[in-house]
Amino acid sequence: GAVVSQHPSRVICKSGTSVKIECRSLDFQATTMFWYRQFPKKSLMLMATSNEGSKATYEQGVEKDKFLINHASLTLSTLTVTSAHPEDSSFYICSAPGTAPYEQYFGPGTRLTVT
Amino acid sequence: QQQVKQSPQSLIVQKGGISIINCAYENTAFDYFPWYQQFPGKGPALLIAIRPDVSEKKEGRFTISFNKSAKQFSLHIMDSQPGDSATYFCAVINTDKLIFGTGTRLQVFP
Repeated sequence: GAVVSQHPSRVICKSGTSVKIECRSLDFQATTMFWYRQFPKKSLMLMATSNEGSKATYEQGVEKDKFLINHASLTLSTLTVTSAHPEDSSFYICSAPGTAPYEQYFGPGTRLTVT
Repeated sequence: QQQVKQSPQSLIVQKGGISIINCAYENTAFDYFPWYQQFPGKGPALLIAIRPDVSEKKEGRFTISFNKSAKQFSLHIMDSQPGDSATYFCAVINTDKLIFGTGTRLQVFP
């Protein structure tokens, strides 16, 4: 099956700093990628849809200036959490669509802890 | 808004037993109904999916039952194994977006 990787897997940063998370499709191209956020023992909430070569589409309630998304190539999307605060601590997961309409390949996730 | 309700929140099953997880949805404009499995600290992985014009789909020990009139669908795991212990999410597809249920933490004990 298709593989999606994320880097880093874990990151700890200080409040006020920015953190960049990378999402790569390793053996396929993805014009669209999705970014999710998951709190402990909770469901995945879609944050935004990343579109290669154009602006990301953010879900209602997600601050676009806070969570910057760049989809610079067909295999790479990045999520930058700007001026991070402890409430931004969460598990961030990206995904890319597969060939079937119901199929998404998920990355392994990035655990962000803001101190 | 909560479009997909999932139950139970947690489930404990003995090895060899049947695990049943239920989901109910509100909108009728969904194209597919997948189930995802997630292990701790990992991203979800697609388990099985069903189209709304099919009432049941079986893949190995996993079966989806779909009731369109009741707007409900369920996952049955037959002969549950300790390796099945994970969190299971039902989902609905709205165009290309996945909307996840609240999740069920399954524990299968030997």
